[in-house]
Amino acid sequence: EPEVTQTPSHQVTQMGQEVILRCVPISNHLYFYWYRQILGQKVEFLVSFYNNEISEKSEIFDDQFSVERPDGSNFTLKIRSTKLEDSAMYFCASSRNSGGAANEQFFGPGTRLTVL
Amino acid sequence: DQQVKQNSPSLSVQEGRISILNCDYTNSMFDYFLWYKKYPAEGPTFLISISSIKDKNEDGRFTVFLNKSAKHLSLHIVPSQPGDSAVYFCAARSYGQNFVFGPGTRLSVLP
Repeated sequence: EPEVTQTPSHQVTQMGQEVILRCVPISNHLYFYWYRQILGQKVEFLVSFYNNEISEKSEIFDDQFSVERPDGSNFTLKIRSTKLEDSAMYFCASSRNSGGAANEQFFGPGTRLTVL
Repeated sequence: DQQVKQNSPSLSVQEGRISILNCDYTNSMFDYFLWYKKYPAEGPTFLISISSIKDKNEDGRFTVFLNKSAKHLSLHIVPSQPGDSAVYFCAARSYGQNFVFGPGTRLSVLP
């Protein structure tokens, strides 16, 4: 069964450093998402991406964040200058469509980001 | 601003009995709802969905009920199994918008 994969599973970085979190969505999916979950808190939407551009972003997704689909398979989230409060589990998700039943988003296993 | 609420952070149920997980929402524009299950160290896994034109959707042991007037939905698991022990997230969206997740309910099914 196809699945969303994410690398690395755990990333430790120093405050102020740049990090890139990588995701490989399901191959026939067209919509891509990033979510984060701070420890003990709810899953929060960050950004959605379709047709090589951001379709929606939350207020969390400020200028420090960017997303890219550098080739036909990868979908990345970059944090330019990490802050302590960026420490969280970051989930990538993809869906075949954006409406109806095909909107079901398939989640990757997550990347745990720890900012020291 | 908690648009999606799951007021029970945890729930314990005996194996074989019914588990009922509740979710309340405040945005009357929400028209599509999902339940996800999440095991530790894994991403959320889609369980079941319901659109606002229905009041019930069933898939095997899982049934979701939607009460639009009360802005309430619930997930019933019958019979509950130890493998159902996980965190369950309710998520909702309005048309063209992205999903808003609830904080989750941790279900423990006791053998």
